[in-house]
Formats: sequence, structure tokens, C-alpha cells
Amino acid sequence: AQSVTQLGSHVSVSEGALVLLRCNYSSSVPPYLFWYVQYPNQGLQLLLKYTSAATLVKGINGFEAEFKKSETSFHLTKPSAHMSDAAEYFCAVQGGKLIFGQGTELSVKP
Amino acid sequence: EAGVTQFPSHSVIEKGQTVTLRCDPISGHDNLYWYRRVMGKEIKFLLHFVKESKQDESGMPNNRFLAERTGGTYSTLKVQPAELEDSGVYFCASSLQPNYGYTFGSGTRLTVV
Repeated sequence: AQSVTQLGSHVSVSEGALVLLRCNYSSSVPPYLFWYVQYPNQGLQLLLKYTSAATLVKGINGFEAEFKKSETSFHLTKPSAHMSDAAEYFCAVQGGKLIFGQGTELSVKP
Repeated sequence: EAGVTQFPSHSVIEKGQTVTLRCDPISGHDNLYWYRRVMGKEIKFLLHFVKESKQDESGMPNNRFLAERTGGTYSTLKVQPAELEDSGVYFCASSLQPNYGYTFGSGTRLTVV
């Protein structure tokens, strides 16, 4: 069975600091991996996806994620946080249907 | 292109009442999915329609939940009778291809009191 685990339900960073949201996956087959973001009172928006092409995936709003098979990780990063990045972020793996992690709420301090 | 539309955006009902959630997918998307997030937990799959047929309903929690997609267009999810543990956010998504390229709606926040 496939699963994802997001480390840290809440992450707080200062504006301009590095954003690092952690995701580890479990999959018996090469996985398709995704990061979604949910801004307050909005739906889930796709940030980026890994589908077995380049291991470094660039997404929207300056986010990127690196697929590391040896570490079974797909961590999300952004070099410099903006206030507008405050949201909840979800890692997901495609196992037929999408299987989500528990979510990480990112807050950005001025 | 219009996105996936869900309504109502919020619903507060009493335990034992019935609630019907609606989802309008992107026009032409044969695949429609329902997901749910109970407070503090992960987003979980409920079911998948291909056109009007239920492709996978393995995530439906119990027989109080009934999903329909008449004519393969919009879908409804009825909860009858609602229980306190049904509170959460219900998301709908649609896609052209099965299990790929999802577009999610804004969700319906259901509160059962």
C-alpha cells in the first residue's frame, strides 16, 4: 500500500527565510508525487508534481521539490518565504486514487 | 474555463437531519471524485465516478452516505441521517483522465451539531 507522511503539522518561518516542508512516502512501485496548497477559504491547488522525469521539480510561486528515492522523500522548499505563502500544504502520492498526508500549516512571521 | 464548483460552501445541520452536497465538475471531465477531511485528519478518498458509474466507492464510510451522478454531469452526496462525526470539509475534484490531473473545488464545510 502507498502512503505519505508529513513531518510537522505546523511550521513557522520569518518572511524572507527558507521554507522547508517535509514529506516521506512509501510505495512499492515508482510513485507519482504531488504537493497541493490550500489557502484560507479556497480549494486545493496543485503546486507541483513528480512523474518520474526530472528529480528536481519546479512548481508555481517559487516552490520546488526534490525526489530522493534513497531517502523516500519529496520535501518542498522555497528559498524566501512571503507573507502570502501562509497556507496549509499537502503532500500526496498517486496510488490509483490520491493518498494525502496529514497536512502542514505554514505560518509566515513579518 | 470554469472550475469545479461546489455548494453550499458551508452547511450547519443538526444531528439526524439530511444534507445534500453538490458538485459541478469541469465540463467534459468524465471523472469525478469525492474526498473528505475530518478535523485534524488527512484528506481521504470517498469515491470515484466515471461518467454516471461508480468506479470505486471503497472510501464511503457507511450506508448513510449516498452519492449519485445522474447523466454523468453534476454529482450529489447525501448524508442521511447526519452524525456528529460527519463534520468536516468535503472536496470534489474532476479530471479528464482517470486518477490524473485533478482539479479540486473549494469544498463544502459541513458542521453537524
